[in-house]
Amino acid sequence: DVKVTQSSRYLVKRTGEKVFLECVQDMDHENMFWYRQDPGLGLRLIYFSYDVKMKEKGDIPEGYSVSREKKERFSLILESASTNQTSMYLCASSWGQLGNQPQHFGDGTRLSIL
Amino acid sequence: AQSVSQHNHHVILSEAASLELGCNYSYGGTVNLFWYVQYPGQHLQLLLKYFSGDPLVKGIKGFEAEFIKSKFSFNLRKPSVQWSDTAEYFCAVNLGTGGFKTIFGAGTRLFVKA
Repeated sequence: DVKVTQSSRYLVKRTGEKVFLECVQDMDHENMFWYRQDPGLGLRLIYFSYDVKMKEKGDIPEGYSVSREKKERFSLILESASTNQTSMYLCASSWGQLGNQPQHFGDGTRLSIL
Repeated sequence: AQSVSQHNHHVILSEAASLELGCNYSYGGTVNLFWYVQYPGQHLQLLLKYFSGDPLVKGIKGFEAEFIKSKFSFNLRKPSVQWSDTAEYFCAVNLGTGGFKTIFGAGTRLFVKA
């Protein structure tokens, strides 16, 4: 069974801090994704990566960056955290080169910015 | 812009009642369709998917969904719900042009009374 592991379940940071969220998948999937989940808004794509060192902006990339140095690891970086980035962050992975396969999700990181 | 609409944000049913959750999308091209479920405290997981072929697809735990192309709809159904179906349900649409973008609906919270 696919395992997508997010480094923290809960995280509290202060405004202006640089925040790193880590995600690791164990199924050799080509594609990895970062979403934020907010009540009433569903999941919104921040960034995705279809290969090592490759990244593409999603719908809401502002204030975020990503890093994929190894195939199994995809990091989300909040360059200077702000209170409006308080949210649940979900990492996902999928196989295939067409991007249309089901995604496998981690448990999420609930991030609070004070 | 492409979008996915889930008509009901909250649904409350008694056990053994029938369930239908609506999902409509706005995109005229080929699509790949998914329903995901998030049980309390758990990660999102795939319920069922439609890529092509028979428009009536069956998923896990007795769920099924019907793709009606002319209505741009992919409604989720279950003949008789159980208390354990209490969860949040997300409809998702992948734009089937080989792209990676999957758009999620806002979600429907289902509460089943025992």
